[in-house]
Amino acid sequence: GNSVTQMEGPVTLSEEAFLTINCTYTATGYPSLFWYVQYPGEGLQLLLKATKADDKGSNKGFEATYRKETTSFHLEKGSVQVSDSAVYFCALTRSSGANSKLTFGKGITLSVRP
Amino acid sequence: EAGVAQSPRYKIIEKRQSVAFWCNPISGHATLYWYQQILGQGPKLLIQFQNNGVVDDSQLPKDRFSAERLKGVDSTLKIQPAKLEDSAVYLCASSREGVGTEAFFGQGTRLTVV
Repeated sequence: GNSVTQMEGPVTLSEEAFLTINCTYTATGYPSLFWYVQYPGEGLQLLLKATKADDKGSNKGFEATYRKETTSFHLEKGSVQVSDSAVYFCALTRSSGANSKLTFGKGITLSVRP
Repeated sequence: EAGVAQSPRYKIIEKRQSVAFWCNPISGHATLYWYQQILGQGPKLLIQFQNNGVVDDSQLPKDRFSAERLKGVDSTLKIQPAKLEDSAVYLCASSREGVGTEAFFGQGTRLTVV
């Protein structure tokens, strides 16, 4: 079945540091890949997505590239801010068929210090 | 557009009691999901509806959990009787039909079973 593996956390960085959060997946076919973010006290919201190999999703300074050869979708940001402190989830859906179920990784907590 | 609405936001019950959660998806979204998020873990799909019909309920503990979606719009999730291990955040999400479409999440209901 489909699965998503995220690096172990939590991660603590100083403001303006470079961020990488690793995500790898197992899936049949060509899934769509997502990063969701959960800010303190708020619901899950989509951060970025990529629907085919070599696509790059980007939003709010975050980027992730769909790498089929390494089955990865690592999240990066060049300079993190305190306001980026949140829990980040990598997720995938199947690429075809009516069942578009989102499968999530465990999530990783990012804390950014001033 | 209005987001996914859930109620209540918080619920505390004793074990063996019953509880129900309500969800109103975004207007026009055919797909509705209920996820369970235990502290420190990623969301796990409990049930997925496509309009009125159930697409996936493979991980729903059917001896105690039930869900319905009336007229393809609102949905309720019920637990009867509750166990201590049901303590979690219950998330409702909705999406349009189609491959790789974004799921929009409600703020969730935090259930504590004591």
